[in-house]
Amino acid sequence: EDQVTQSPEALRLQEGESSSLNCSYTVSGLRGLFWYRQDPGKGPEFLFTLYSAGEEKEKERLKATLTKKESFLHITAPKPEDSATYLCAVQAKGDYKLSFGAGTTVTVRA
Amino acid sequence: DVKVTQSSRYLVKRTGEKVFLECVQDMDHENMFWYRQDPGLGLRLIYFSYDVKMKEKGDIPEGYSVSREKKERFSLILESASTNQTSMYLCASSFVPGQNYGYTFGSGTRLTVV
Repeated sequence: EDQVTQSPEALRLQEGESSSLNCSYTVSGLRGLFWYRQDPGKGPEFLFTLYSAGEEKEKERLKATLTKKESFLHITAPKPEDSATYLCAVQAKGDYKLSFGAGTTVTVRA
Repeated sequence: DVKVTQSSRYLVKRTGEKVFLECVQDMDHENMFWYRQDPGLGLRLIYFSYDVKMKEKGDIPEGYSVSREKKERFSLILESASTNQTSMYLCASSFVPGQNYGYTFGSGTRLTVV
């Protein structure tokens, strides 16, 4: 069974204080690893897909990286508007569904 | 942009009621999914459908059923609502085989069973 573990559960940052979120996974043949952002009371919003170890994707202050066992979401010089819950999910080859971690809630204080 | 629309943002139902949660997507996606989201547990898959009239159980199907009579619409049914089904319900859709954006989610329905 696919498993996804995210850490830490919560992260409080000062504006401008860079940090990283971790997503550890086990899957029987990775098709893709996905990062989503979720604001309170809303559905998750797609950020990145990573397919193979060594791959990196960037969007504004966010950068996602992938190894064979984990992914990191780096937040560089965060702003208060980066406050959200960040979800990681994996999809196995030949599977339709995504398996999600419990998420990391990031709070950025001005 | 693909849109996934869930018919209700908030619902309050009584124990034992039959509850219907509706989801509609507008981009001819093959796959549709129902998840529930609870604090500390993340998103858990209830049911999914990869074609009209086709359905597959997810990880937690007990107490739920689904209906997909048309490609764009996927309904989640709580046969007899119970308080432990109080949760945020999220519908999602995706296109086969291109999965480079994963799912597109609706805004969610927060269901309270009293």
